[in-house]
Amino acid sequence: EIVLTQSPDTLSLSPGERATLSCRASQSISSSYLAWYQQIPGQAPRLLIYGASIRATGVPDRFSGSGLGTDFTLTISRLEPEDFAVYYCQQYGGSLTWTFGQGTKVEIK
Amino acid sequence: EVQLVQSGAEVKKPGESVKISCKGSGYSFSTYRIAWVRQMPGRGLEWMGIIYPSDSDTKYSPSFQGQVTISVDKSINTAYLQWSSLKASDTAMYYCARPPSTGWFFDSWGQGTLLTVSS
Repeated sequence: EIVLTQSPDTLSLSPGERATLSCRASQSISSSYLAWYQQIPGQAPRLLIYGASIRATGVPDRFSGSGLGTDFTLTISRLEPEDFAVYYCQQYGGSLTWTFGQGTKVEIK
Repeated sequence: EVQLVQSGAEVKKPGESVKISCKGSGYSFSTYRIAWVRQMPGRGLEWMGIIYPSDSDTKYSPSFQGQVTISVDKSINTAYLQWSSLKASDTAMYYCARPPSTGWFFDSWGQGTLLTVSS
């Protein structure tokens, strides 16, 4: 089973700053199978990025995804107040199996 | 508009059974898989399993195989997650989610069902 490790666990930043979140896979995965989600406390997760770099419908362009192989990154170019949340990466492992990273919390500094 | 609407919060005692639901609307229910995702208090997301409503083909995460049962009633566009004997450790928020027709991610989510198991 492929394990996804996100770093850091918590990112403390101010509105307007740039956020860089990492997701590392225990073995190489196809970029097609890597997605990112945002979860605001008390809400269901929301799809942000799929295929490692494709923004989902309605996602602002300050969110971008990149990476390949084992190292993937979610970047928020300028943090807005509504972006302070927990972010999860997810990979499809084939044969109808999925795993999530443990999450990175982006908090207000 | 695609919608997944889940049943309300449940409070149960250890050893009891429960079945929570997820009703899909705004799309052809039978032709899209429905997954279940657990989130324990203060913790991350865990994929539990997935079902294809058209033929009820089901796949479980090894962590949840034998612990829960996923089922579907396509006549009423509803998927289910059930337990036969609850434990306190089953206390969590449970989400249903749907992958698109082509893609291996979840682009639609239910609002979540909070299950509390306490004596």
